[in-house]
Amino acid sequence: EAQVTQNPRYLITVTGKKLTVTCSQNMNHEYMSWYRQDPGLGLRQIYYSMNVEVTDKGDVPEGYKVSRKEKRNFPLILESPSPNQTSLYFCATSQGRTRGGYTFGSGTRLTVV
Amino acid sequence: DAKTTQPPSMDCAEGRAANLPCNHSTISGNEYVYWYRQIHSQGPQYIIHGLKNNETNEMASLIITEDRKSSTLILPHATLRDTAVYYCIVRAAYSGAGSYQLTFGKGTKLSVIP
Repeated sequence: EAQVTQNPRYLITVTGKKLTVTCSQNMNHEYMSWYRQDPGLGLRQIYYSMNVEVTDKGDVPEGYKVSRKEKRNFPLILESPSPNQTSLYFCATSQGRTRGGYTFGSGTRLTVV
Repeated sequence: DAKTTQPPSMDCAEGRAANLPCNHSTISGNEYVYWYRQIHSQGPQYIIHGLKNNETNEMASLIITEDRKSSTLILPHATLRDTAVYYCIVRAAYSGAGSYQLTFGKGTKLSVIP
């Protein structure tokens, strides 16, 4: 079954403690992306990757890092989380620009205290 | 990418067709119209997309006006499980990194009423 798997689904952490949210896809998609969703602000793109070893900033990249060492994985790294990074995070993948839509993961709800 | 305008909320009776409008008056010739929905706090789900012809799949139909300045997503027989926020997104078809980005607006909250 085609899917995008995010882990963990829920995470509560403390300010400054490094964490990684993983995203894995089994569809051989080239494009992967991270979004965060906040009440009143909607979904905003953090980082995206067009292929292995190719990553770029989205609209709200501050405080985040990503890597794309292999096609199927695109982890989101928070080196020093802060409370303003408390949010709902989604990973998304796409085969190509006009070949259908994006497939989103189930989300990771992160709370930084 | 062109901006879209959607009503903030709509109601639909269960079993009836839900018609969700979207205005995209500044759309350009190479931009596609995409529809997604998000049920509660789940990940957004792709529904359908089109360029200028009407499109239909197992989930919905997409009607795009001849001048392409507006479109309507039709759920033919709405069920309670179709209650969600529906997003209309316009996205360019040119090559380049920016063309992959989806810009989500506030969408339309559809409530299907028993």
